[in-house]
Amino acid sequence: EAGVVQSPRYKIIEKKQPVAFWCNPISGHNTLYWYLQNLGQGPELLIRYENEEAVDDSQLPKDRFSAERLKGVDSTLKIQPAELGDSAVYLCASSRSGQGRTEAFFGQGTRLTVV
Amino acid sequence: AQKVTQAQTEISVVEKEDVTLDCVYETRDTTYYLFWYKQPPSGELVFLIRRNSFDEQNEISGRYSWNFQKSTSSFNFTITASQVVDSAVYFCALSGLSSNTGKLIFGQGTTLQVKP
Repeated sequence: EAGVVQSPRYKIIEKKQPVAFWCNPISGHNTLYWYLQNLGQGPELLIRYENEEAVDDSQLPKDRFSAERLKGVDSTLKIQPAELGDSAVYLCASSRSGQGRTEAFFGQGTRLTVV
Repeated sequence: AQKVTQAQTEISVVEKEDVTLDCVYETRDTTYYLFWYKQPPSGELVFLIRRNSFDEQNEISGRYSWNFQKSTSSFNFTITASQVVDSAVYFCALSGLSSNTGKLIFGQGTTLQVKP
């Protein structure tokens, strides 16, 4: 079974530029998460999807961040415009169901550097 | 509020030593789930174990074992006879059912270095 696939693995952009990350979850997983991981810290949830619906986006900075999950499968996370403080690892995860009843599986992440 | 504390920032051991990673959690939920993940240098978080709040049985999987104690709100992880390949950052995480978000609350992580 293929794992969660994310691309790109690394991205370097200048501040104020837009950037997008892509995630393909494990087949059959209805729940998809985007997490932000700053250096030396644990991941923090940005947004959670149940199929196509964003059921928790309370931590997503909506002035510059947006996400979508078309057809309830792949998802993209966008930042526009990027700021220096956005430099971090962006992790995508998926699980069969939400609410913690099943474990979440993570992708390798996208390491973003804003210069 | 929910919180996970991993007080050990870094641990260094010599191969074949046993090592215990501590995890203390806070939650008002009566039903919750606890997890351990491993993050090797490649960056991917690897799922190790999930435990629900009603199951306090300790679990052993090969060289790994987990000690869940509700009385002390702890979910500690022990690696027996550590190996160099165990070197990684280990995260403890909590998900409370009443929050209804499925959000994982992670600790700060413990960096384990196993020296040959």
